[in-house]
Amino acid sequence: SAVISQKPSRDICQRGTSLTIQCQVDSQVTMMFWYRQQPGQSLTLIATANQGSEATYESGFVIDKFPISRPNLTFSTLTVSNMSPEDSSIYLCSVEHGGEQYFGPGTRLTVT
Amino acid sequence: EDKVVQSPLSLVVHEGDTVTLNCSYEVTNFRSLLWYKQEKKAPTFLFMLTSSGIEKKSGRLSSILDKKELFSILNITATQTGDSAVYLCAGTKTSYDKVIFGPGTSLSVIP
Repeated sequence: SAVISQKPSRDICQRGTSLTIQCQVDSQVTMMFWYRQQPGQSLTLIATANQGSEATYESGFVIDKFPISRPNLTFSTLTVSNMSPEDSSIYLCSVEHGGEQYFGPGTRLTVT
Repeated sequence: EDKVVQSPLSLVVHEGDTVTLNCSYEVTNFRSLLWYKQEKKAPTFLFMLTSSGIEKKSGRLSSILDKKELFSILNITATQTGDSAVYLCAGTKTSYDKVIFGPGTSLSVIP
């Protein structure tokens, strides 16, 4: 199994500011995934982060808005930039390990 | 375009009832079908199905995959209020590059 931790667990931010979310895994993994879950919605993949290369973004998500770092095989960060109230969501880090998909505890972001 | 569809989107049952949640998928280079239970923030893993016709069981929960008809069901017997949650179905690809989630089924179990 894989144990994933995320920081912060929640935050309230003002519009126009940026927040960086950290994801730490207890195992080395090739790919890490960042998801967003807006209120009442299912999970939407933002991007896939591979160590040593640029993240691959899904349609509707751009690097300027959601820059991602992946400095090693156990850690990644997602930044939500120039936030607006529409960015209020739960952000989840996820990894595939041993054929199963594991999720971090999530970061609940509220933008005022 | 890859997609996963779940039905019903919401369901209210009484304790003790048996429920069946449905998931159909269209995923190119399909590898496996995943079921998750989501109560607060992070989804918790229930089952991974890769072979047709083989039922997986965990307590009162069971699930089966039909790769010919491209669907899966999740059964919950003798439901309890603690089963109230959103149940997510997801498809994975052989390329390991993404997981495609369905919209979820919101289950409410009332005493």
